[in-house]
Amino acid sequence: QVQLQESGPGLVKPSQTLSLTCTVSGGSISSGGYYWSWIRQHPGKGLEWIGYIYYSGSTYYNPSLKSRVTISVDTSKNQFSLKLSSVTAADTAVYYCARRRGLGHNWFDPWGQGTLVTVSS
Amino acid sequence: QSVLTQPPSVSAAPGQKVTISCSGSSSNIGNNYVSWYQQLPGTAPKLLIYDNNKRPSGIPDRFSGSKSGTSATLGITGLQTGDEADYYCGTWDSSLSAEVFGGGTKLTVL
Repeated sequence: QVQLQESGPGLVKPSQTLSLTCTVSGGSISSGGYYWSWIRQHPGKGLEWIGYIYYSGSTYYNPSLKSRVTISVDTSKNQFSLKLSSVTAADTAVYYCARRRGLGHNWFDPWGQGTLVTVSS
Repeated sequence: QSVLTQPPSVSAAPGQKVTISCSGSSSNIGNNYVSWYQQLPGTAPKLLIYDNNKRPSGIPDRFSGSKSGTSATLGITGLQTGDEADYYCGTWDSSLSAEVFGGGTKLTVL
């Protein structure tokens, strides 16, 4: 079955760019019908959708983060990535990648295990 | 302040039934599918219910979902201590053009 795994630095300095990659195994990003997503969870808080990308490169971002977010896909590596610029302490969170069903549906499954990113100097 | 409103906590005894509500509006729950997620302590969320009331393979039928108007409900019967977790509802919001989640409900099995 499809599995997702996040990777990237666990510590980022304020004002710098947070960069994470999600590697997909057990299935192809290019298979269609799914959006490849990033979701974050601030410590002790709820879930916040960051955005997602279709294998063709079409992207959809949370309006509240849109000015700082870039999501890209590398189908040759079966990976997709997140860049969040100008980070502050408020961006400290566990970042999850997840597959989101398209075609009129809107569920996320599966999820990666998550990676904690701390923004601190 | 979450777009979808859930009770912060619910509790019940082992073997009992509990329901968790998720309240929204016509721009989200009222016109889109609802999904539910279970987040056990220290783990990633896991899909529990999709398309309002469908269970993924492997999810026991103790878990059920329903939707009426602009509200959705997750039901759990035959509570077990292993069900202690945070539960989140989620859907698409057409006005915000964003995926939205409830604030989460912590289930305690007494």
